[in-house]
Amino acid sequence: SAVISQKPSRDICQRGTSLTIQCQVDSQVTMMFWYRQQPGQSLTLIATANQGSEATYESGFVIDKFPISRPNLTFSTLTVSNMSPEDSSIYLCSVEAASRATYEQYFGPGTRLTVT
Amino acid sequence: QKEVEQNSGPLSVPEGAIASLNCTYSDRGSQSFFWYRQYSGKSPELIMFIYSNGDKEDGRFTAQLNKASQYVSLLIRDSQPSDSATYLCAVPGSARQLTFGSGTQLTVLP
Repeated sequence: SAVISQKPSRDICQRGTSLTIQCQVDSQVTMMFWYRQQPGQSLTLIATANQGSEATYESGFVIDKFPISRPNLTFSTLTVSNMSPEDSSIYLCSVEAASRATYEQYFGPGTRLTVT
Repeated sequence: QKEVEQNSGPLSVPEGAIASLNCTYSDRGSQSFFWYRQYSGKSPELIMFIYSNGDKEDGRFTAQLNKASQYVSLLIRDSQPSDSATYLCAVPGSARQLTFGSGTQLTVLP
């Protein structure tokens, strides 16, 4: 499976500011996804990031709040804009790898964000 | 909208016992199913996937799929304290995005 890194691993930010999270993969991948995991909760998909096209956002998530870039097949960024304490979560990127039978998703280590 | 339901936890089993984790899904068209393990403070780790009716075994893990009943389960045989984690069931959508269940927290007692 691919090796995925995220930066920063954690951050504490003040409300009203923005944070950009980077996701780097050691091989070229077509599909990258961004998820959020709020404290004590499961994972919720924010958006799908495909190279060469705009990100596709899930219901409840908008581009103005979570702009995403995907400049190439190994890198993506997620920005959390105008943060509030409700944005305190773990943000995870995942990449898709095709196997013989299906498409598997592997997750990066996550970025733990605390908004004060 | 796909829905994925997992049996409510937390679940505690003694060391050496079989842990049974269950998941139901709403979309009859779903073709494949994934089980992730998430240790506290870590990101989810893919441990099993299944796409055919019946059982799929990998070491101490067995995934079971019943498409007629829209039910998928994960059995962990000879449970070890190191298996203590949250187990997440996930179903891919048409664009291959994953919908996760709420997770079941498993504790294996030594």
